[in-house]
Amino acid sequence: EIVLTQSPGTLSLSPGERATLSCRASQSVSSNYLAWYQQKPGQAPRLLIYGASTRATGVPDGISGSGSGTDFTLTISRLEPEDFAVYYCQQYGGSSPITFGQGTRLEIK
Amino acid sequence: EVQLVESGGGLVQPGESLRLSCAASGFTFSSYEMSWVRQAPGKGLEWVSFITSGGRTIYYADSVKGRFTISRDNARNSLYLQMNGLRAEDTAVYYCARCPWSYRAMDVWGRGTTVTVSS
Repeated sequence: EIVLTQSPGTLSLSPGERATLSCRASQSVSSNYLAWYQQKPGQAPRLLIYGASTRATGVPDGISGSGSGTDFTLTISRLEPEDFAVYYCQQYGGSSPITFGQGTRLEIK
Repeated sequence: EVQLVESGGGLVQPGESLRLSCAASGFTFSSYEMSWVRQAPGKGLEWVSFITSGGRTIYYADSVKGRFTISRDNARNSLYLQMNGLRAEDTAVYYCARCPWSYRAMDVWGRGTTVTVSS
């Protein structure tokens, strides 16, 4: 099973700042099948990024994904109030094919 | 509108069974892989099970293997999760999610159904 470790656990920033979230895999992620989700309280997750860097439908271009192999990053270029939420990475591959990271909480400073 | 609606959650005692359903609409259900994902209270997301579009390939998380069974009825546009031998640690909101094969990710989610296992 591929273990995903997200850092930091909590990120405290102000609106207008840049957010950089990390996701590290215990082994190489097959074909960069790495996705990012946003989840707000009481809501289902929302797909942001798939294939490590492809934005899902409707996701603004201020949100971007990068990385390959074992190290991946989600960047929000300029934080809006609606961006404060919990973010999860997810990979597909390996013996237990789908795993999620433990999440990063992005909170208002 | 593309939509997934889960049902079947509830309060059960340890060892009992429950069957969750997920009704799909607004897209060609038979063309998509599907997954169940759960979230325990105050915790992160945990993938539970995955099924290919035709139902021939199925995967389970180790935590539910041998107790849960995923299935689908493409004629009824429905996904199911049969949960047997429920434990307290199965308490969670259960989401069904659409998984386009080219994405290897989940692009449409239901609102979830709550399962509580308690004596």
